[in-house]
Amino acid sequence: GAVVSQHPSRVICKSGTSVKIECRSLDFQATTMFWYRQFPKQSLMLMATSNEGSKATYEQGVEKDKFLINHASLTLSTLTVTSAHPEDSSFYICSARGPRDREETQYFGPGTRLLVL
Amino acid sequence: AQSVTQPDIHITVSEGASLELRCNYSYGATPYLFWYVQSPGQGLQLLLKYFSGDTLVQGIKGFEAEFKRSQSSFNLRKPSVHWSDAAEYFCAVGARYKLSFGAGTTVTVRA
Repeated sequence: GAVVSQHPSRVICKSGTSVKIECRSLDFQATTMFWYRQFPKQSLMLMATSNEGSKATYEQGVEKDKFLINHASLTLSTLTVTSAHPEDSSFYICSARGPRDREETQYFGPGTRLLVL
Repeated sequence: AQSVTQPDIHITVSEGASLELRCNYSYGATPYLFWYVQSPGQGLQLLLKYFSGDTLVQGIKGFEAEFKRSQSSFNLRKPSVHWSDAAEYFCAVGARYKLSFGAGTTVTVRA
């Protein structure tokens, strides 16, 4: 149990367009989800914490107007990269805080590769 | 604030040999510790975790890790490595439901 999916797995877009990435918890309810960014050969950088029904909490240095996060239900959080530019190209990974008996554990999605041309 | 150090950037090991990946953490209280594995282009899969109790933790795929409070370490081990174990391994410390990751260790398995 505790499966997290992401969609799309890969997206290519033109500079200036917006891209939406979905993160779903498939077999449990996730009150909290997290969005990470990972550059090649590097570790994961936490971008924001998404809580169902409330505004996301962004880490220092992350532009909230650039990376819009919506957590409208207990199984879905979305990350929208607005007016994307080539420097936004990266691997974006979401995770969900585990179900009640595994709350301290985060379960990760498979990631979304974004390429902005 | 918590932090994690993985001293080894890259380890090469022969198939069938043993593997040990080092992890040191810094955290004021009792930590929640995790090891995740990432295959190329994929998300992270949880290998094992430590919250409390027995300091030797068993995980999936034949991995185990030992928590040593005196050394602030949580090293990952596997007695006999398979070619499919080639991947990136991340140690993480959790606090208030947030994770801080180490830089990762790349494991290459040679035949």
